[in-house]
Amino acid sequence: EAGVAQSPRYKIIEKRQSVAFWCNPISGHATLYWYQQILGQGPKLLIQFQNNGVVDDSQLPKDRFSAERLKGVDSTLKIQPAKLEDSAVYLCASSLGGFGSGYTFGSGTRLTVV
Amino acid sequence: GENVEQHPSTLSVQEGDSAVIKCTYSDSASNYFPWYKQELGKRPQLIIDIRSNVGEKKDQRIAVTLNKTAKHFSLHITETQPEDSAVYFCAASIAGTYKYIFGTGTRLKVLA
Repeated sequence: EAGVAQSPRYKIIEKRQSVAFWCNPISGHATLYWYQQILGQGPKLLIQFQNNGVVDDSQLPKDRFSAERLKGVDSTLKIQPAKLEDSAVYLCASSLGGFGSGYTFGSGTRLTVV
Repeated sequence: GENVEQHPSTLSVQEGDSAVIKCTYSDSASNYFPWYKQELGKRPQLIIDIRSNVGEKKDQRIAVTLNKTAKHFSLHITETQPEDSAVYFCAASIAGTYKYIFGTGTRLKVLA
């Protein structure tokens, strides 16, 4: 099966600029997650979608981060304005959503804010 | 809130030796525990998982054990090979959800 697609792979921006990341999950996977992975740490959940609805965005810094999943398929994550501490790898993952459904991660977008 | 602790943070073993990585979790209602392997610059990949109704699961050279009473679970890799070198993450499900809390990772180096 095709994997989770993410783009771009790398992005360098200046602080206070905006940036957007795109994710296309595995076909048929109802649940989609965005994780932030800071260098040397484990992935931290930012937001979870079930189809096109938000299930959990409690860890999303909503003053600067936003995400949407139109039509229950592709998703975009936006940061506006970016801060230095936003430098991280942003991982998208999808799953069937049932109990014991392991995630399939995308390759991630490495964001560097300078 | 829910928390997963993972030890050690780094582990070096000689090729052919065994490696053990341990995790503890705080939510007694967690019922699913996946392990992910992340090679440098690549995505985390699921390598093995265990559900709370099972105490041990094995897949070739890797095995996972779960002690629900102590809220511990461990990854065991036998006959390690250089290609096992990577960062390994444990995770625990959050009760009532399909979300996982990840550990901080263990960087495993297998020395040839």
